[in-house]
Amino acid sequence: AQSVTQPDIHITVSEGASLELRCNYSYGATPYLFWYVQSPGQGLQLLLKYFSGDTLVQGIKGFEAEFKRSQSSFNLRKPSVHWSDAAEYFCAVAGTDSWGKLQFGAGTQVVVTP
Amino acid sequence: EAEVAQSPRYKITEKSQAVAFWCDPISGHATLYWYRQILGQGPELLVQFQDESVVDDSQLPKDRFSAERLKGVDSTLKIQPAELGDSAMYLCASSLGGSFYEQYFGPGTRLTVT
Repeated sequence: AQSVTQPDIHITVSEGASLELRCNYSYGATPYLFWYVQSPGQGLQLLLKYFSGDTLVQGIKGFEAEFKRSQSSFNLRKPSVHWSDAAEYFCAVAGTDSWGKLQFGAGTQVVVTP
Repeated sequence: EAEVAQSPRYKITEKSQAVAFWCDPISGHATLYWYRQILGQGPELLVQFQDESVVDDSQLPKDRFSAERLKGVDSTLKIQPAELGDSAMYLCASSLGGSFYEQYFGPGTRLTVT
């Protein structure tokens, strides 16, 4: 069965420290991969996506993600976190032959401390 | 910048009542999605439209939920009768179509069923 797993429900990080959010997927073939961010009371915003090619993907707001086929992972990273990065982060996958149906992980809540 | 509009933002209703949500996608976006996001979980696709046609409603509880996009532009999602378990955030998204194109999300409608 297809699934997306975000092992960390909640992460606390100090402002200025680095951040890494984990995402593992189970899919029949390499899907399209996405990271979204959701601020309180807001809809979801796309941070970055991977379709093919270079396995290190750059996104908005200083985020990057690395696709590792051998580990079925697509981890999100940011070298230096800002207080405004406090939000919930969702990893998602979509089949390359689908109409764009996204399957989301359960999300990781990020808290940024001073 | 164009945005996906949703109304109302918040809705409180009693169980067994009918409730409706409205979504206006970004102009020119042929594909429209309705997602349900239960607290603490990632969004789950309820229904997907391509223009005015439903292309995926496999997760829509059809005994009580209905969705329409009559002219291929705005869309309405209805629940009748509402149940306590329907309390959730209902998100609308739109895209140019297919997995390759970014989905833009609206701010959502927070439904509370009492």
